Amino acid sequence: SQQGEEDPQALSIQEGENATMNCSYKTSINNLQWYRQNSGRGLVHLILIRSNEREKHSGRLRVTLDTSKKSSSLLITASRAADTASYFCATGGSGANSKLTFGKGITLSVRP
Amino acid sequence: DAGVIQSPRHEVTEMGQEVTLRCKPISGHDYLFWYRQTMMRGLELLIYFNNNVPIDDSGMPEDRFSAKMPNASFSTLKIQPSEPRDSAVYFCASGRQGLAKNIQYFGAGTRLSVL
Repeated sequence: SQQGEEDPQALSIQEGENATMNCSYKTSINNLQWYRQNSGRGLVHLILIRSNEREKHSGRLRVTLDTSKKSSSLLITASRAADTASYFCATGGSGANSKLTFGKGITLSVRP
Repeated sequence: DAGVIQSPRHEVTEMGQEVTLRCKPISGHDYLFWYRQTMMRGLELLIYFNNNVPIDDSGMPEDRFSAKMPNASFSTLKIQPSEPRDSAVYFCASGRQGLAKNIQYFGAGTRLSVL
């Protein structure tokens, strides 16, 4: 079963607007990551937030993590047409297990 | 760094044929993952290796699927015999121990069509 569940499934915004994507998960985690997938390509790691962190920034990306609600959000500010892609959250377990469990993804369309 | 290299990029085959997908991980990475992606099921982990040893193959759908990692720079995923329901995009990813051990670097994928 999928650990991460993204919301919404699809999002369409105008260039320059902010895009907010949410992810919920079920079990305890060591960290949570967001990946991007452009059409016909492999996934690319965007950002990792550890379970003891609440917020992290990277360029136009802002990620929050609420372990009490088992949820995370990814905010892309001042979106560009090039941000059009699918976005996945992935959760990593604790211990030596390096496995990640991916959600089904959110399709973001940024209209020029 | 060349990144994770997968071959072939596209494979079209007929039902019953053997299919072999190949992956070269990033040099120095000690984890290697094989995934399958479909519209219906999303991204599924099939198997992963650590230091060339299979750690978790619980995602391998059935005995028709097998994976090997004979050395640190090469892995194969084999399907024999192939079936139309195996049609999907297969990704290989690699990662390494340390603080960022969970971060995975994906190849461009192999799009498999079984007719």
